[in-house]
Amino acid sequence: DIQMTQSPSSLSASVGDRVTITCRASQGISNSLAWYQQKPGKAPKLLLYAASRLETGVPSRFSGSGSGTDYTLTISSLQPEDFATYYCQQYYSTPLTFGGGTKVKIK
Amino acid sequence: QVQLVQSGAEVKKPGASVKVSCKASGYTFTSYGISWVRQAPGQGLEWMGWISAYNGNTNYAQKLQGRVTMTTDTSTSAAYMELRSLRSDDTAVYYCARGLLWSAYSVWGQGTLVTVSS
Repeated sequence: DIQMTQSPSSLSASVGDRVTITCRASQGISNSLAWYQQKPGKAPKLLLYAASRLETGVPSRFSGSGSGTDYTLTISSLQPEDFATYYCQQYYSTPLTFGGGTKVKIK
Repeated sequence: QVQLVQSGAEVKKPGASVKVSCKASGYTFTSYGISWVRQAPGQGLEWMGWISAYNGNTNYAQKLQGRVTMTTDTSTSAAYMELRSLRSDDTAVYYCARGLLWSAYSVWGQGTLVTVSS
């Protein structure tokens, strides 16, 4: 199984801050990576797929990059509605696996 | 609009079975598959498996092999996930999500809480 390691597990930030979350795969996943946002009591919401492609309707302050085993989600200017937990997911091979999550909290 | 609507919360005793439904609307059901993902209280996301709505092919997570069965009913555009021999650590919110086997998931159900308790 491919292990997905996300860091940090949590962070505190202020509105307007630039936030970066990283995800490392235990083997290369050829950009088969998605990022999700989840708010309490809600289903995950797809933000990006194929490592850097923005899902329709997702604000452009969200961006993704990376290749091979290392990937990054960046929020360029944190907004109040962005406080949530973020997960990466590899879909390169089964079983599909998720990172452990990064909780973005208000500073 | 495209949506997946899941069945309501369940409370089960250890050793029992549960069957969760996921009804699709707003798209051609057989053009995609349905994955099932669960989330234990306060924990992360765990992929359970996937079923093709086109031909019923399945791919299950190894740790659940033998306890889980995923099915679809194309006449009603519904998918089902049955989990047997329930244990307390099966307590979780269970989500269905639309996608191919190797894809990201852009459409999710609202989740179904399954509580396993004696």
